[in-house]
Amino acid sequence: NAGVTQTPKFRVLKTGQSMTLLCAQDMNHEYMYWYRQDPGMGLRLIHYSVGEGTTAKGEVPDGYNVSRLKKQNFLLGLESAAPSQTSVYFCASNVNGGNQPQHFGDGTRLSIL
Amino acid sequence: GESVGLHLPTLSVQEGDNSIINCAYSNSASDYFIWYKQESGKGPQFIIDIRSNMDKRQGQRVTVLLNKTVKHLSLQIAATQPGDSAVYFCAENSGYNKLIFGAGTRLAVHP
Repeated sequence: NAGVTQTPKFRVLKTGQSMTLLCAQDMNHEYMYWYRQDPGMGLRLIHYSVGEGTTAKGEVPDGYNVSRLKKQNFLLGLESAAPSQTSVYFCASNVNGGNQPQHFGDGTRLSIL
Repeated sequence: GESVGLHLPTLSVQEGDNSIINCAYSNSASDYFIWYKQESGKGPQFIIDIRSNMDKRQGQRVTVLLNKTVKHLSLQIAATQPGDSAVYFCAENSGYNKLIFGAGTRLAVHP
C-alpha cells in the first residue's frame, strides 16, 4: 500500500519555465490537497479538490493551477515559474474532508533559479 | 526537508523524560484538531487527533489535551525516545474542510 506518492522528488527550474507535479493516492480518498511549506512556516494550502472533476482555491492559489481528471490523481501546475515559488510541495488526501486526518506524501523539493 | 526547521522554537529534552509541546489556535469555532510529526525529508505523519467535544485523548505514548477556554492544545509524549526527534505541527479545522497549520516546534531528544 503506497499511500500518497509524489513525483518528482526534486526539480530545478529556470524562471519562466513550466512544470507539473503529480500526486497519486491509492486509498480511494475523495479529497485531495496541495500545500507548500517554506522555512519556519507551517503548511499553506494552495488548492484542493473534493472529488473527481472538482477543484477549489486555498490560501495561496496565485501562480498555480490544478486538475483532478481521475479520482486517484491530483496535478499541480506552474505555468511560469517564479523564484518566490521555490518551496517544498506536499500533497495530501483524506476520505471526505472535514474531521478526518489527512495523509501526506513525502514532498517535492522545487527550486526556481 | 532539512530547511523546514529553521527558526522554529525548539524543545530540548533528555531521553526518557516526558515532553510537552504546546500550540495556540486561532478560531474558537474550530471543531477538530490534529497533531503531525515531520522528520527531515519526509512528509507530515499523523500522530493523534481530537474533536472539540473532548478535553483529552490518549494514544500510544501520546496524549493530546484541549483547552477551549484559552484556545490551547498540547501534545504530551511519554518516555521520549531519540526517534521522537522531529518537528511537530498542530492544525485546526476551522471549517470548509480545510486545516490551518501552526508553524511547528522542533523536538530535540538528547541521550
